[in-house]
Amino acid sequence: SAVISQKPSRDICQRGTSLTIQCQVDSQVTMMFWYRQQPGQSLTLIATANQGSEATYESGFVIDKFPISRPNLTFSTLTVSNMSPEDSSIYLCSAWDRSRRGYTFGSGTRLTVV
Amino acid sequence: DQQVKQNSPSLSVQEGRISILNCDYTNSMFDYFLWYKKYPAEGPTFLISISSIKDKNEDGRFTVFLNKSAKHLSLHIVPSQPGDSAVYFCAAASPTSGTYKYIFGTGTRLKVLA
Repeated sequence: SAVISQKPSRDICQRGTSLTIQCQVDSQVTMMFWYRQQPGQSLTLIATANQGSEATYESGFVIDKFPISRPNLTFSTLTVSNMSPEDSSIYLCSAWDRSRRGYTFGSGTRLTVV
Repeated sequence: DQQVKQNSPSLSVQEGRISILNCDYTNSMFDYFLWYKKYPAEGPTFLISISSIKDKNEDGRFTVFLNKSAKHLSLHIVPSQPGDSAVYFCAAASPTSGTYKYIFGTGTRLKVLA
C-alpha cells in the first residue's frame, strides 16, 4: 500500500486566516480523498480529488472554503480558508488502495482555530 | 442521517478476553465494509474488510462477521492485547457500483486492560 506523508501534523491558527495542508504519496494514485473529523464525530468526506480534473465536493463543502489542488498523481493540497473556530478539526487525506478496495490515510492534521 | 452507526462509544476488555465491536448500517446498497484502527495523533490504518458475498472474514486475531439481513457487522478480537487499545471505525460503501466514497461510523474506543 502507498505511504502518505501529511503536513503539518498540527497547527494553531488565528480566525480569518488560511492554512494549506499538504499530502505527498510515495506512489502514483489516481484518486485521493480529503476527510474531516470534528471532535466526537465520524470521518466526513470533504471532497474527492482526481488528477487532471476539478475536485468533487460533498454536500455542505464548497470550493471557496476548501480549495483543493491535485497537480500530479503523487501530491495534493487542501486549504482551509477564512478560518473560524468551527473549522477546528482533524483533517485527513487519503488515497485509494485498489488491493484493499479502501483507503490509505495520512497521519492527519490537527487544526485549532482561536 | 447517519447511515453507519457505532452505538457504543467505548468498550473496556480484560487482556486475553474477546473484544466485540459492533456496527449497524441502513443502506442496503452497501456491499463492501472495512474496519480501521486509529491511534492518537495517527491516521486510521486498515484492519480488515468484508464483501457482502461473505458472512465472515478472518485475519489472525481479527474476525469480521456480516449479517446482511440485520444490516449489522461486528469485529471480534481474540485474544485482546493492550496494544489493541485504539479507536475502531467501521466504514461502508458500494464500490461495485462505481462509488468509492466510504461512509464512516463515529468510532468505538477500545481499552484493553492489562
